[in-house]
Amino acid sequence: AQKITQTQPGMFVQEKEAVTLDCTYDTSDQSYGLFWYKQPSSGEMIFLIYQGSYDEQNATEGRYSLNFQKARKSANLVISASQLGDSAMYFCAMRDWETSYDKVIFGPGTSLSVIP
Amino acid sequence: EAQVTQNPRYLITVTGKKLTVTCSQNMNHEYMSWYRQDPGLGLRQIYYSMNVEVTDKGDVPEGYKVSRKEKRNFPLILESPSPNQTSLYFCASSFNRNTEAFFGQGTRLTVV
Repeated sequence: AQKITQTQPGMFVQEKEAVTLDCTYDTSDQSYGLFWYKQPSSGEMIFLIYQGSYDEQNATEGRYSLNFQKARKSANLVISASQLGDSAMYFCAMRDWETSYDKVIFGPGTSLSVIP
Repeated sequence: EAQVTQNPRYLITVTGKKLTVTCSQNMNHEYMSWYRQDPGLGLRQIYYSMNVEVTDKGDVPEGYKVSRKEKRNFPLILESPSPNQTSLYFCASSFNRNTEAFFGQGTRLTVV
């Protein structure tokens, strides 16, 4: 069965430092996409970054980058120059392309706190 | 403005009283999904739809129904809610499977 693991329930980072949030996934499929979403305390879900399984380059979006290691089945999110507004829950998700089903699996999330 | 709109935002109901949570998107997206979010479990997919009149079960469909009569609307129906359906619910839509999902604001449901 497909599964997403986020091993860090909570993390702290000093403002302006970089932080890496871990995500490992388990799938037998070859075609899939990996997503990261942010959920601030206000509750909304905000899309951050996407990586396709066939993308050779690691995805980047502003201060966010995705360290994609397909052989290790990991898709870690790197946030550079942390800001106080980065304090939130972060979810890694995987979406299957291969089957006729639109399965989307989320990890349990990592709570990030940015310290001034 | 591109958005997914869920209603209501908050709902307290009693066991067994049928309810519907509405979801509407204005982006002409084919794909829509419902999720529930529980502490420590992340989001779990309840139902999804890949087109009008095409819906299928996600990981946790028991106790829920959906319909997709028009592209923009994807209501979630709880025919006989139970306390274990107390949760935060999200509706989401996307253009296709390798693009970002747009989420509604969430519906906090409490069943007593």
